[in-house]
Amino acid sequence: AQTVTQSQPEMSVQEAETVTLSCTYDTSESDYYLFWYKQPPSRQMILVIRQEAYKQQNATENRFSVNFQKAAKSFSLKISDSQLGDAAMYFCAYRRSLSGGGADGLTFGKGTHLIIQP
Amino acid sequence: DTGVSQDPRHKITKRGQNVTFRCDPISEHNRLYWYRQTLGQGPEFLTYFQNEAQLEKSRLLSDRFSAERPKGSFSTLEIQRTEQGDSAMYLCASSRGAGPYEQYFGPGTRLTVT
Repeated sequence: AQTVTQSQPEMSVQEAETVTLSCTYDTSESDYYLFWYKQPPSRQMILVIRQEAYKQQNATENRFSVNFQKAAKSFSLKISDSQLGDAAMYFCAYRRSLSGGGADGLTFGKGTHLIIQP
Repeated sequence: DTGVSQDPRHKITKRGQNVTFRCDPISEHNRLYWYRQTLGQGPEFLTYFQNEAQLEKSRLLSDRFSAERPKGSFSTLEIQRTEQGDSAMYLCASSRGAGPYEQYFGPGTRLTVT
């Protein structure tokens, strides 16, 4: 079974600075997808960024980028120019590829609570 | 695109009662997922549907839980003989397909069993 580990229960960053959230995962599969989801307080979860395991290039979405290290099974999220609206719980998630069969649900880590200091 | 909706948003019930939650996915999405999230944890996968077919159920889904998706549209999740350990946020998500397709989440139903 796949597992996802987020070792930072809470992170704090000054507004406009850069912060990196860590995520490691364990899998025996070679083809899969990784995601970062954001869950603001009392609001629904939204996708921040995704990475296909077969792609060597790290994904980027505006101020959000990832550092995907497949051999190390590491998938960190970097948020540049942090804004007050970035304050939320951030979850790293793993999903099997369709070719692997089996369950199609996401496997989530426990999350990192990101605090933005004004 | 009105997003994924869930009803009710909050439910308080007494131990031993049955409860039913509803999820309305984004209309063109053929896959629908149920997750459970307890305080301080990430969501845990429960089950998913492709159209009306329930394709996978997690070990977390005990015999007291049942989910349906008649006609491949909305879905219901029923919990029979609720226990205090069932207290959690129940999240529904939908997507166009498997793999890289984004799962869009609803606001969740918070269940409190007293």
